[in-house]
Amino acid sequence: ELKVEQNPLFLSMQEGKNYTIYCNYSTTSDRLYWYRQDPGKSLESLFVLLSNGAVKQEGRLMASLDTKARLSTLHITAAVHDLSATYFCAVDNNNDMRFGAGTRLTVKP
Amino acid sequence: DGGITQSPKYLFRKEGQNVTLSCEQNLNHDAMYWYRQDPGQGLRLIYYSQIVNDFQKGDIAEGYSVSREKKESFPLTVTSAQKNPTAFYLCASSRSGRVYNEQFFGPGTRLTVL
Repeated sequence: ELKVEQNPLFLSMQEGKNYTIYCNYSTTSDRLYWYRQDPGKSLESLFVLLSNGAVKQEGRLMASLDTKARLSTLHITAAVHDLSATYFCAVDNNNDMRFGAGTRLTVKP
Repeated sequence: DGGITQSPKYLFRKEGQNVTLSCEQNLNHDAMYWYRQDPGQGLRLIYYSQIVNDFQKGDIAEGYSVSREKKESFPLTVTSAQKNPTAFYLCASSRSGRVYNEQFFGPGTRLTVL
């Protein structure tokens, strides 16, 4: 059974700092997705990673995928308050899609 | 504009009642999904459908039912058999197939049992 683990589950950081969120998964897959959810809102697609070594960047967020290690990272550079949200990774294994528990990020001034 | 709509946004149910949550998409996606999210938690799959007139149970299907009579529509019924239905319900769709399965989400329905 495909299992997805994110860590940390809670992250409080100061503006301007860097940090990384980790997403580990249990079975072979080369399709991984990152989503953002604001409080009380739906999920917004951030990144789609489709191959080993894939790296995508959007603003202060950069996502990467290492299929051999079964690991994806979401790196935050010089955090700003607007990045406060919950971030989910999701792994797709032959149409069995599993979501991580989410990382609740709070960026403080 | 293409997208996924869910209605209602808020829904209140008395114990013992069945309620139906609507989900419509105009993205021409083959696959549709229903998830449940409890406060501070991740998403749990209730049902999914890869094609019209076919659907499969997810991890927490008990107390729920669905239908897929049209490609655009995937309504979810929360039955009285669902003992703790208060939650945020999210509908999603994707292109399906073997390329990739990025899911696009609707705005959600917040269900509260009175």
